[in-house]
Amino acid sequence: GAVVSQHPSRVICKSGTSVKIECRSLDFQATTMFWYRQFPKKSLMLMATSNEGSKATYEQGVEKDKFLINHASLTLSTLTVTSAHPEDSSFYICSASPQRPPQDTEAFFGQGTRLTVV
Amino acid sequence: QKEVEQDPGPLSVPEGAIVSLNCTYSNSAFQYFMWYRQYSRKGPELLMYTYSSGNKEDGRFTAQVDKSSKYISLFIRDSQPSDSATYLCAARSSNTGKLIFGQGTTLQVKP
Repeated sequence: GAVVSQHPSRVICKSGTSVKIECRSLDFQATTMFWYRQFPKKSLMLMATSNEGSKATYEQGVEKDKFLINHASLTLSTLTVTSAHPEDSSFYICSASPQRPPQDTEAFFGQGTRLTVV
Repeated sequence: QKEVEQDPGPLSVPEGAIVSLNCTYSNSAFQYFMWYRQYSRKGPELLMYTYSSGNKEDGRFTAQVDKSSKYISLFIRDSQPSDSATYLCAARSSNTGKLIFGQGTTLQVKP
């Protein structure tokens, strides 16, 4: 299957600092990428839809000023957690598909980023 | 009510057993259904996807969708210890393209 690379896999940061997470589609172009958050033993919760060349679409309850998404190219989307606090500690996962929604039946996931805010 | 419901388990079976994993959903607009496998601290890996109702088989895995009852199933035959993981069902609406996940079922296959 297609490969989605996410970096870093683990990051520890101090409270109040910002952290950037990268999501790259390595062997295909993705006009749309998705960012999820997963708490321990919980399901993936969609945070936002990242659209290449336009603003991201955020899910209800997700602060767009806190979770900045940039989709500058067809192979790269970034999620920046600004002014991080301990409650932002979580597992963040991105996904991408070679096809445009709603035909993107196969979504491929990155390996996830474990963020710990101390 | 969550759009996709899944029993979190855990589910423990002996090696070689047939495993049945199930989800229900509430949104009639869902048309694509997926099963993902997730190992601890890793991203989900797509196992199978089906469109609308019907069965799909791939090796030891069979996915079933019954749209009349809004029921999704994954069967694993001859289960192996390496199948031990969390299995996530997911559904997608053809309108929005968003993937909605169930809570995930933790499966342990004991040697």
